[in-house]
Amino acid sequence: EVHLVESGGGLVQPGGSLRLSCAASEFSFSRHDMHWVRQVTGEGPEWVSGIVPAGDTFYADSVKGRFTISRDNARNSLYLQMNSLKAEDTAIYYCTSGGIWGVTSNWLEHWGQGIVVTVSS
Amino acid sequence: DIVMTQSPATLSVSPGESVTLSCRASHTVNDNLAWYQQKIGQAPRLLIYGASTRATGIPARFSGSGSGTEFTLTISSLQSEDFAVYYCQQYYDWPPLAFGGGTKVEIK
Repeated sequence: EVHLVESGGGLVQPGGSLRLSCAASEFSFSRHDMHWVRQVTGEGPEWVSGIVPAGDTFYADSVKGRFTISRDNARNSLYLQMNSLKAEDTAIYYCTSGGIWGVTSNWLEHWGQGIVVTVSS
Repeated sequence: DIVMTQSPATLSVSPGESVTLSCRASHTVNDNLAWYQQKIGQAPRLLIYGASTRATGIPARFSGSGSGTEFTLTISSLQSEDFAVYYCQQYYDWPPLAFGGGTKVEIK
């Protein structure tokens, strides 16, 4: 069974930083696009960022220049460095698996349990 | 960016009934459309991809159809565990991956 486990969330003041991590197991992590999706309670999911196996990165306009996605294929791990955090970044952040590069497309098959990020003074 | 719009926002149905949820894309996404189910306190779960292909382990009572800009998710003979929020998502043209606002299926 595929497992994606997020860590690193918590309470941070506006302007602060957090680094989220996602540990993947029981699937071919190095072959998949990977994404971070966030969700404010009571609202729909919002795509935040994605990274393909070779390392090309993509961001939502709302986080561009503040967030950095990265991956370590040898460690089956995904990261999200979040800087200059704002109150509107408060949400549950999910690590999700996208398509297999060059084979399948980016429906989001596997999801972590989510990690809470709260930006407040 | 492609915008996804779902309707209605809420559907009130009785167990055993069938229900059809709608999703519209602002521009064509061909068949690059997925549906997810989300229950309170849980992550979204993939139901359908490619507009009509059920994901692994998804019961046959869930079916998807459509292409281009208009899509539907039909749940036949609703079971108690099907009461949840449903989201559509396009992956034809990204970034960004785009989700709809969701349809809540509640017990009548």
